[in-house]
Amino acid sequence: SQQGEEDPQALSIQEGENATMNCSYKTSINNLQWYRQNSGRGLVHLILIRSNEREKHSGRLRVTLDTSKKSSSLLITASRAADTASYFCATDAGGGGNKLTFGTGTQLKVEL
Amino acid sequence: DTGVSQDPRHKITKRGQNVTFRCDPISEHNRLYWYRQTLGQGPEFLTYFQNEAQLEKSRLLSDRFSAERPKGSFSTLEIQRTEQGDSAMYLCASRRQGQETQYFGPGTRLLVL
Repeated sequence: SQQGEEDPQALSIQEGENATMNCSYKTSINNLQWYRQNSGRGLVHLILIRSNEREKHSGRLRVTLDTSKKSSSLLITASRAADTASYFCATDAGGGGNKLTFGTGTQLKVEL
Repeated sequence: DTGVSQDPRHKITKRGQNVTFRCDPISEHNRLYWYRQTLGQGPEFLTYFQNEAQLEKSRLLSDRFSAERPKGSFSTLEIQRTEQGDSAMYLCASRRQGQETQYFGPGTRLLVL
């Protein structure tokens, strides 16, 4: 079953703009990870944030985590056409082999 | 590091046939996971191995599904008597115990006619 929802389901922006996508989840977690998936392909790991962290940066990516609200956001700054993809958040609740529970994804389209 | 590889990348089969997929994890990754992803959804966990031991199976994994990892290296996922509802992308991931990141393969896209 899906852990939670991502918002928005789809997002269309112009190149150079920032893209923000949100993820909500239901249970306590060890960490939350964001993945990118290009059409019909596998998942590429972007960034991981632990439950005791509030914000993390990696290049043009910024992730926040609010465990009290069980939510996270991913910000992509200065977007490029190559950022066009689906983005998924995934939670690791620990135990059970640290399997990941994914959200429903946000489809991002960056137009030239 | 070579990445996680999966074979085949695409499979078309007729309902009722058996299919088998293979996953080769990153070497020295002792944990291996299988997920299934249907169109427009996020991946859903199916099962995972620690070395050769299969430690958890999701309720999604009906008795028509079987997974093995005989020598703790590559893994196979077999679906017997395929149904149209089995059409999906089957994703494999691996990680080293003690590390948090799972690395995914390109997936096997299955279409059952």
